[in-house]
Amino acid sequence: SYVLTQPPSMSVAPGKTARITCGGNNIGSKSVHWYQQKPGQAPVLVIYYDTDRPSGIPERFSGSNSGNTATLTISRVEAGDEADYYCQVWDNSSGHQVFGGGTKLTVL
Amino acid sequence: QVQLVESGGGVVQPGRSLRLSCAASGFTFSRFAMHWVRQAPGKGLEWVAVIAYDGSNKYYADSVKGRFTISRDNSKSTLYLQMNSLRAEDMAVYYCARGGEMATLGGDMDVWGHGTTVTVSS
Repeated sequence: SYVLTQPPSMSVAPGKTARITCGGNNIGSKSVHWYQQKPGQAPVLVIYYDTDRPSGIPERFSGSNSGNTATLTISRVEAGDEADYYCQVWDNSSGHQVFGGGTKLTVL
Repeated sequence: QVQLVESGGGVVQPGRSLRLSCAASGFTFSRFAMHWVRQAPGKGLEWVAVIAYDGSNKYYADSVKGRFTISRDNSKSTLYLQMNSLRAEDMAVYYCARGGEMATLGGDMDVWGHGTTVTVSS
């Protein structure tokens, strides 16, 4: 089965840039989606199909995907961005959605 | 507004059954694939199952295959998850989520419910 690997945690100072990676075998050939989840809340889609932002998601959130790594970039990080972030792909060979293990972003 | 509302969670003994429901509103339910995703306490997201917009295709995570059944009633705009032979490791918050439109099974999940909690304990 397809595996997505994320760093368990990362920290960033306010106003700086956070780059959260999602590794997978030839992930660049798949479409990657990213979710933000704050404590006690349901996940929220922040990036879909590698680079697109749903309405209401700040432009500070962007995505890229190439080779074996997809990246969620959060520019000018704010305290409100502190959350868990998950990447997700559809594995066509198994008919399964696959999530990464999640990255806990701490804003210092 | 677009909304998903789960219900049916509760406390159940190991080996027993439970049926979750997810009521959709604010969009044409019959045009979208629908997913169940769960999250065990303190853990990450785990995809559980997907059903096509018309119910013609269903896929399950290996961890629940043969025990759980996903279904839908488009006339009632409602998604279901029948969970049989429940185990301690099934204890989680269960979310329903909207998937791709028409023939698209995969893709992003852009609308999520608030979740319903399933506790498996003797």
